[in-house]
Amino acid sequence: GESVGLHLPTLSVQEGDNSIINCAYSNSASDYFIWYKQESGKGPQFIIDIRSNMDKRQGQRVTVLLNKTVKHLSLQIAATQPGDSAVYFCAERENAGNMLTFGGGTRLMVKP
Amino acid sequence: GAVVSQHPSWVICKSGTSVKIECRSLDFQATTMFWYRQFPKQSLMLMATSNEGSKATYEQGVEKDKFLINHASLTLSTLTVTSAHPEDSSFYICSALKVGAWEQFFGPGTRLTVL
Repeated sequence: GESVGLHLPTLSVQEGDNSIINCAYSNSASDYFIWYKQESGKGPQFIIDIRSNMDKRQGQRVTVLLNKTVKHLSLQIAATQPGDSAVYFCAERENAGNMLTFGGGTRLMVKP
Repeated sequence: GAVVSQHPSWVICKSGTSVKIECRSLDFQATTMFWYRQFPKQSLMLMATSNEGSKATYEQGVEKDKFLINHASLTLSTLTVTSAHPEDSSFYICSALKVGAWEQFFGPGTRLTVL
């Protein structure tokens, strides 16, 4: 799906709490999804990915959930730390293609 | 492994001049590289797909004569912004697709400011 945000929604959490960032996509042909973290003035940094034949994947402190029925992707960050403060983007890739389509992004602010 | 660099990291130029931005995959070969543009508080927008040895594929609305892309080797793609105008000021980010991999590896971005 093409989702371009004109302004970024913000999620504010307390240090140590869990964070959940959501993303909706519209292209049912997408077969690969990625979450990126972008700090100010830097390029996107890969966090975790998931293929369409899975509905959950876990990494270190992060979990990605994929619900293909409602075309929804979420990123869960456990025990959020100040260093997690950044903008988070989901991206999708259409089957058999290589280009990524980015979602609008969510700014995560972690309060100490 | 899988490091992508961009040069310069930031550039300021006068209106009407041209600016070249380089994207290099340092430790892997990339037959495909992508160029994105990101305005403040917005998401990344794909500008073009660059394939080694062939012409780039531009997204709708991106002027190919203004944003010249050259992908002359498996480790280097360049983006030249010709006759730059203040509205071209943006954060330009490249990514490289590692041969045989699903993941795109992103560069650190180049901040272009046109006066």
